[in-house]
Amino acid sequence: ETGVTQSPTHLIKTRGQQVTLRCSSQSGHNTVSWYQQALGQGPQFIFQYYREEENGRGNFPPRFSGLQFPNYSSELNVNALELDDSALYLCASSFKQVNYGYTFGSGTRLTVV
Amino acid sequence: DAKTTQPNSMESNEEEPVHLPCNHSTISGTDYIHWYRQLPSQGPEYVIHGLTSNVNNRMASLAIAEDRKSSTLILHRATLRDAAVYYCILRDTETSGSRLTFGEGTQLTVNP
Repeated sequence: ETGVTQSPTHLIKTRGQQVTLRCSSQSGHNTVSWYQQALGQGPQFIFQYYREEENGRGNFPPRFSGLQFPNYSSELNVNALELDDSALYLCASSFKQVNYGYTFGSGTRLTVV
Repeated sequence: DAKTTQPNSMESNEEEPVHLPCNHSTISGTDYIHWYRQLPSQGPEYVIHGLTSNVNNRMASLAIAEDRKSSTLILHRATLRDAAVYYCILRDTETSGSRLTFGEGTQLTVNP
C-alpha cells in the first residue's frame, strides 16, 4: 500500500504571498486532515475533509483554506502569508472511523521571509 | 478535548524495556487512548490505541489502568530507531473523524 505523499518538501515564500501545498492520501482512505507544526511543538489541527467537505476546523483564520478531490487527494491554501506561518505542514489520512489510526506524510517545510 | 500529561523526557538503554507513562484524569467513557510517535524530520507515526483493555501489536503494548485515568506505552526492547517524541492522545468516539490534539509529548532518548 502507498503511504501519504506531500509536495513540495520545502518551500520559501515572501510575506503577503499565497501558497498551495498538496497531499496524496493513502490508498483507500477517505478522510484527510492538515496540521501545522511549529519548531519544538506538537502538531496543531488546522482542518479535516471528508467526502470533499470540511468536517472540522481548528483555531486558524479563514486565510487557511483547503480542498479535497474525488480521488481523496487534497490541497492546503494559505493566503496573505505571515512570518508566523513558517512551520512544517503535515497531511494525514484515515478512514472516517475514530478507532482507526491516521497515516501522516513527512510534511512540507514552509519558510516565510 | 480531555487533556493528557506526559513527562517531557525519558532515557533508556538499548535492548531494555521502556515504559512511557501518560495521565488522563479527565478522560470520558467514549475516549480512546491513542499513541503516536514522531521521529526526527518525519511526520507522526501511529503506534497503538485502546479503550479499556490492554492492547498489543508488533510495535508496542498499551497498558490501561482499571479506572482509565492513566496508561503506559511499553516498548519491550528499545532500539536506537525508537528515539522519538511520543504523544499520548485522547480521541472521542462520539465525534466521528475527530481531530488529534497533540500535547508536547515525551522525548525518548535511547543510549547505545
